[in-house]
Amino acid sequence: EIVLTQSPATLSLSPGERATLSCRASQSVDRYLGWYQQRPGQAPRLLIYDASNRATGIPARFSGSGSGTDFTLTISSLEPEDFAVYYCQQRSNWPLLSFGGGTRVDMK
Amino acid sequence: QLQLQESGPGLVKASQTLSLTCTVSGGSISSVTYYWSWIRQPAGKGLEWIGRVYPTGTTNYNPSLKSRVTISVDTSKNQFSLRLSSVTAADTAVYYCASSWELPNYFDYWGQGKLVSVSS
Repeated sequence: EIVLTQSPATLSLSPGERATLSCRASQSVDRYLGWYQQRPGQAPRLLIYDASNRATGIPARFSGSGSGTDFTLTISSLEPEDFAVYYCQQRSNWPLLSFGGGTRVDMK
Repeated sequence: QLQLQESGPGLVKASQTLSLTCTVSGGSISSVTYYWSWIRQPAGKGLEWIGRVYPTGTTNYNPSLKSRVTISVDTSKNQFSLRLSSVTAADTAVYYCASSWELPNYFDYWGQGKLVSVSS
């Protein structure tokens, strides 16, 4: 089983600031990692797939990087609607999939 | 635009079987190259993948739930279903159905979620 560990658990920032979220895998997942955003009361939304590809309709302020075991989601300038919880998910260990525990981005 | 909608009882008694159905609209459940999944989320906690079903009926399950889970597909109704047996309070969660419609092994379309509570 591949375990994904996200850090920090909570990130307190102001609108306009840069957010950097981390996801670390217990073993290499190559580049097979995605990121989701979940706003309160909503289903998750796919942001990034295969480490660095933005999903359809995702703004350019969201970017992903990394490979192997260490990955980063960056939000270049936080908009009010970006304050949410973010999850990473690996698809390397097919057929089994797993999610990280999440990072909450709070407004300072 | 693909749409998914969960339905089923919102309250299940402990030791009984949880049953949910996901109805797909805006596309054929038979035509997707990839598959259809169930994912759950206890209140205030993270996401847990439960399992997937292919249009052919082939399934894969999370090993932690495998002994209690059955996921099936009904192509004539454009639906797929989840059954989770011998439920306990730990199974109380929002249950989402989701698809990998355009991207393999990622979830690009989600239902709105169905809260299922297990009562003692």
